[in-house]
Amino acid sequence: GENVEQHPSTLSVQEGDSAVIKCTYSDSASNYFPWYKQELGKGPQLIIDIRSNVGEKKDQRIAVTLNKTAKHFSLHITETQPEDSAVYFCAGGDDDKIIFGKGTRLHILP
Amino acid sequence: DAGVIQSPRHEVTEMGQEVTLRCKPISGHNSLFWYRQTMMRGLELLIYFNNNVPIDDSGMPEDRFSAKMPNASFSTLKIQPSEPRDSAVYFCACRLAGDDEQFFGPGTRLTVL
Repeated sequence: GENVEQHPSTLSVQEGDSAVIKCTYSDSASNYFPWYKQELGKGPQLIIDIRSNVGEKKDQRIAVTLNKTAKHFSLHITETQPEDSAVYFCAGGDDDKIIFGKGTRLHILP
Repeated sequence: DAGVIQSPRHEVTEMGQEVTLRCKPISGHNSLFWYRQTMMRGLELLIYFNNNVPIDDSGMPEDRFSAKMPNASFSTLKIQPSEPRDSAVYFCACRLAGDDEQFFGPGTRLTVL
């Protein structure tokens, strides 16, 4: 089955700087890679996703890149703001189910 | 729509007791997922249903865990008997047919003493 590894587990960046979170997956059949954001006391919420036929996708300050050959994908957040502080999860899978990485706790420093 | 509703939000019980967690998905969403979140293991998929039918329960840790979906608007996750290592936050999520996004509930924080 699919196995998703995520790094780093904790990340601190200065407000206004960029943050990058990286993930790798094991199953070459996986074709769907979402990113979820979890705020304290809440359930995860989808922020961006990418399918395997696309190499990059951008939505305002958030972008995701995918390298199918190397089986890795990354989340990029530019011009970070205090409200970006949260736990971010990558995931990989198909149309039925997705497997989550263990999460990255992002701290935005004032 | 109120989103995914889970109850109770917090549950404290003693080892050996039966625990039942409840979920009401968003109306019309035909896929339902149960996840468990812990610091050590992250967010684990336990089981998911399509159109009320269990499709994959390979993530259910032991026979002590069982899940049902008697109709499109209600699902339960039962642990019997509960053990301290079952302490975690349990999330229910749902998805609309043909869509990718899963919508998560607020979770149930379970503490087994």
